[in-house]
Amino acid sequence: GENVEQHPSTLSVQEGDSAVIKCTYSDSASNYFPWYKQELGKRPQLIIDIRSNVGEKKDQRIAVTLNKTAKHFSLHITETQPEDSAVYFCAASNGNFNKFYFGSGTKLNVKP
Amino acid sequence: DVKVTQSSRYLVKRTGEKVFLECVQDMDHENMFWYRQDPGLGLRLIYFSYDVKMKEKGDIPEGYSVSREKKERFSLILESASTNQTSMYLCASGRTQYFGPGTRLTVL
Repeated sequence: GENVEQHPSTLSVQEGDSAVIKCTYSDSASNYFPWYKQELGKRPQLIIDIRSNVGEKKDQRIAVTLNKTAKHFSLHITETQPEDSAVYFCAASNGNFNKFYFGSGTKLNVKP
Repeated sequence: DVKVTQSSRYLVKRTGEKVFLECVQDMDHENMFWYRQDPGLGLRLIYFSYDVKMKEKGDIPEGYSVSREKKERFSLILESASTNQTSMYLCASGRTQYFGPGTRLTVL
């Protein structure tokens, strides 16, 4: 089955700096890669996703890049703000959306 | 706005009890999922369902069963609760995974 690895497990940045979280996957059949943000005590929420026919996707301060050949994808957050502090999860799924495999999470701390 | 609700936010049960966790979604989604979330392990899939009465095992189905009698409702059952099932349980619905608020289950 699919194996998704996520790094780093914790990340501390100064407000205004950029943050990058990386994930690798093992199954070449995976073609949908969402990212979720989970604030303390709350449910995970989808913040951005990318499909395998696209190399990069951007939404304001967040972007996701995908390298299918190397089987890795990354989340980039620019101009970080304290409200970006949360746990971020990457995931991989096949085209049927029946199974999602999650990374172990990255706790991002943005220091004011 | 998609709404996914779970029957309890916090639950305390004793070892050996049968436990029911219920999840309801209001968006007519075909796919529904149950995960458990443990620190450092991310979200691990227990079971998923892609239609009424249809279910498939995820990565950690042992000790759990599920029921989906109606499209909007997906139940997770712990047949005989054990202390190692103490965890946060998250239900999700839909192709892009709308999550419920979670149930923190403690088994004593």
